[in-house]
Amino acid sequence: QVQLVQSGAEVKKPGASVKVSCKASGYTFTSYGISWVRQAPGQGLEWMGWISAYNGNTNYAQKLQGRVTMTTDTSTSTAYMELRSLRSDDTAVYYCARVLVVGVADYWGQGTLVTVSS
Amino acid sequence: EIVMTQSPATLSVSPGERATLSCRASQSVSSNLAWYQQKPGQAPRLLIYGASTRATGIPARFSGSGSGTEFTLTISSLQSEDFAVYYCQQYNNWPRLTFGGGTKVEIK
Repeated sequence: QVQLVQSGAEVKKPGASVKVSCKASGYTFTSYGISWVRQAPGQGLEWMGWISAYNGNTNYAQKLQGRVTMTTDTSTSTAYMELRSLRSDDTAVYYCARVLVVGVADYWGQGTLVTVSS
Repeated sequence: EIVMTQSPATLSVSPGERATLSCRASQSVSSNLAWYQQKPGQAPRLLIYGASTRATGIPARFSGSGSGTEFTLTISSLQSEDFAVYYCQQYNNWPRLTFGGGTKVEIK
């Protein structure tokens, strides 16, 4: 069965970087893209960006351009999301999700809580 | 940016009753609209895409309709496991994807 397993919770100081991993199994990794979505405490969902696991092409949300990098390692079927220059309003649960068709996420990871606090 | 507006913010429904959730786009998104369900402490779950196509394993009591700027998610007979928050999401304006603010379906 399709599974996306994310790395564990992180606590970071403002200005630091965080890198979240998302290990996929149960399907051909390079046949689907991966989206990243975040959710601040008690808030709604925010799309962060997408990466093609086939060729590494990316698209990022405009507000995160310059601070976010998404990558994949096809040898381990793992996707990564790195966010730099962290601020307190980056505190959120970060989800990876397999992209069924452009923009539609059909399987989701369990989420990774990133807390940014001094 | 396409703004997605969901209404109502909270919907109180008794088990077995019908629930109707609305989602409005600030401009046409054609049929490029998905619905997700999220329970507390869990990841979202895809219910509907293409405005009306149920995702794999989604029960037939969930149905989606609409196109352009007005969309509806209907749950024909609410089960206890359906009480959750529901989000709509447009993907017509790729890569500028946007979600609605959510509708919480609670037990009446």
